[in-house]
Amino acid sequence: AQSVTQPDIHITVSEGASLELRCNYSYGATPYLFWYVQSPGQGLQLLLKYFSGDTLVQGIKGFEAEFKRSQSSFNLRKPSVHWSDAAEYFCAVGAGSYQLTFGKGTKLSVIP
Amino acid sequence: NAGVTQTPKFQVLKTGQSMTLQCAQDMNHNSMYWYRQDPGMGLRLIYYSASEGTTDKGEVPNGYNVSRLNKREFSLRLESAAPSQTSVYFCASLTSGGGSSYNEQFFGPGTRLTVL
Repeated sequence: AQSVTQPDIHITVSEGASLELRCNYSYGATPYLFWYVQSPGQGLQLLLKYFSGDTLVQGIKGFEAEFKRSQSSFNLRKPSVHWSDAAEYFCAVGAGSYQLTFGKGTKLSVIP
Repeated sequence: NAGVTQTPKFQVLKTGQSMTLQCAQDMNHNSMYWYRQDPGMGLRLIYYSASEGTTDKGEVPNGYNVSRLNKREFSLRLESAAPSQTSVYFCASLTSGGGSSYNEQFFGPGTRLTVL
């Protein structure tokens, strides 16, 4: 069965600093990988997704993620964080029947 | 185009009461999903419907039933609510991609359920 690990429960960064959120997955086949963001009291919004091809994926809001098969990782990055990026971020891996398995999330706090 | 809508937004139940959470999508998507979100647990799949007329259990189906009423609507029923079902419930939908395509799941705004 597939699984996703997000090692960091809570990260705090200063506004303008760079950000990297870690995601490690376990899946027996070629993974389909996603990053979602959830603002307080809201549903989930897709930031970016990886299916195949270029291992560096660009998403919305200035985010990018890099797929590294050798490390089973799909880390999310942003060069300069804005206060509005404070939210919870979820990594997910796609399985059969279009099911998604989510990690437990990383909460991002931004210091002005 | 409203996307995925859920009703109600909030609900408080007493132990043993029943209720149905409603979900509808207007994107002509084939697949629909119900998740629950608990603090520190991420989202866990309760049930899904890959296409109209089919439903399947997910990771945490116990205590729930679902109905895929038509292509647009997918409801989640709690027959006898328990405090352990206090959670935020999200509905999602996805269009079945062809070939190696794997598309995005679109999420509703959630229903916050408290069982006393």
